[in-house]
Amino acid sequence: EIVLTQSPGTLSLSPGERATLSCRASQSVNINLAWYQQKPGQTPRLLISDASVRATGIPDRFRGSGSGTDFTLTITRLEPDDFAVYYCQHYGTPPRTFGQGTKVEVK
Amino acid sequence: EVLLVESGGALVEPGGSLRLSCATSGFSFSSYAMNWVRQAPGKGLEWVSVISSKSVVTFYGDSVKGRFSVSRDDSRSTLYLQMNSLRAEDTATYYCAKDARGGGGDMDYWGRGILVTVSS
Repeated sequence: EIVLTQSPGTLSLSPGERATLSCRASQSVNINLAWYQQKPGQTPRLLISDASVRATGIPDRFRGSGSGTDFTLTITRLEPDDFAVYYCQHYGTPPRTFGQGTKVEVK
Repeated sequence: EVLLVESGGALVEPGGSLRLSCATSGFSFSSYAMNWVRQAPGKGLEWVSVISSKSVVTFYGDSVKGRFSVSRDDSRSTLYLQMNSLRAEDTATYYCAKDARGGGGDMDYWGRGILVTVSS
């Protein structure tokens, strides 16, 4: 099973600041990686597929990058609606797995 | 509009069984792989299982392998999860989720989830 490790666990930032979230895989997943956003009481929302492709309707302030074992989700300027938990998920060699999540909170 | 609606959640004793269903509409169900993902109270997402289109292959997370079984009925556009030998650690909200595309694995539509509680 491929283990995804996200860091940091919590990111405390202010609106307008840049958020940089990391996801590291225990072995290569090529670009078979997605990012999701989840707000309290809501279902996860797909943000990024194939490491860097924004899903339909996702603003361009969300940017994914990386390949192999190291991936980054960058939110260029945080808006109030962006404070949430973010998960990475691989869909390379089964089983698929999620990272443990990074919470982006208001500083 | 794409809709996924889970049902079948309940309180069940350890060692018991439960079958979840996910009724779908608004897309060509038979063409997409479908997943189950769970989330224990206050915890992160855990991928549980996937079944390919036409039920060709199934995969399971290590924590449920041998106890859970995924299936689908394309004529009813419905996904199922048979859960046996349930444990307290299986307590979670269970989501069904649709693969975004063939050959992918990212999940673009999710149900609202159904709670399964395993407790005596």
